[in-house]
Amino acid sequence: AQKITQTQPGMFVQEKEAVTLDCTYDTSDPSYGLFWYKQPSSGEMIFLIYQGSYDQQNATEGRYSLNFQKARKSANLVISASQLGDSAMYFCAMSSTNFGNEKLTFGTGTRLTIIP
Amino acid sequence: NAGVTQTPKFQVLKTGQSMTLQCAQDMNHEYMSWYRQDPGMGLRLIHYSVGAGITDQGEVPNGYNVSRSTTEDFPLRLLSAAPSQTSVYFCASSYRGQGGPEAFFGQGTRLTVV
Repeated sequence: AQKITQTQPGMFVQEKEAVTLDCTYDTSDPSYGLFWYKQPSSGEMIFLIYQGSYDQQNATEGRYSLNFQKARKSANLVISASQLGDSAMYFCAMSSTNFGNEKLTFGTGTRLTIIP
Repeated sequence: NAGVTQTPKFQVLKTGQSMTLQCAQDMNHEYMSWYRQDPGMGLRLIHYSVGAGITDQGEVPNGYNVSRSTTEDFPLRLLSAAPSQTSVYFCASSYRGQGGPEAFFGQGTRLTVV
């Protein structure tokens, strides 16, 4: 069985600072994918970034990067130069295959608040 | 391009009633899933489908049925609503691309069972 752990229920960060959201995972699958989603107060789920278990380099998408440490089973999200619009819930998730998200296991989320 | 469309956005049911949550995607994605989101628990997988005619159970399938007769549609049926099914329901679709998966969620359906 897969498990995602997000140990930070809430975080407060000053605007323009970088922020790291923690995510650790547990799986016995040799091939898996790791995802981060953003859920603003409006409720929709927004896909941010993806990392495959066999990807050699850490994934980056604009201000988002995924710090993937396979040996530690961690997949932390780093947001550079935070903005007020980054205030939201953030969910880490994993799939049992290297691609696709037909079966995702989610963590409980981290509520990020950006302070002006 | 509408993406993933869920209807209705809000619904109140009485215990024992049945209903169908609709989900449609116009991106020709193979994979579709239903999740429920409860406070403090993240999202949990109810059912999923890897293509038309193929469905399988997720983590919390009891009380729900699905079918996938077309690539575009993946309805979720509540057979006999219970207060424990009060939740926000999300439909998702994705495809496997060369650069990795592209995943999209619908806007969600907030269901209250009284």
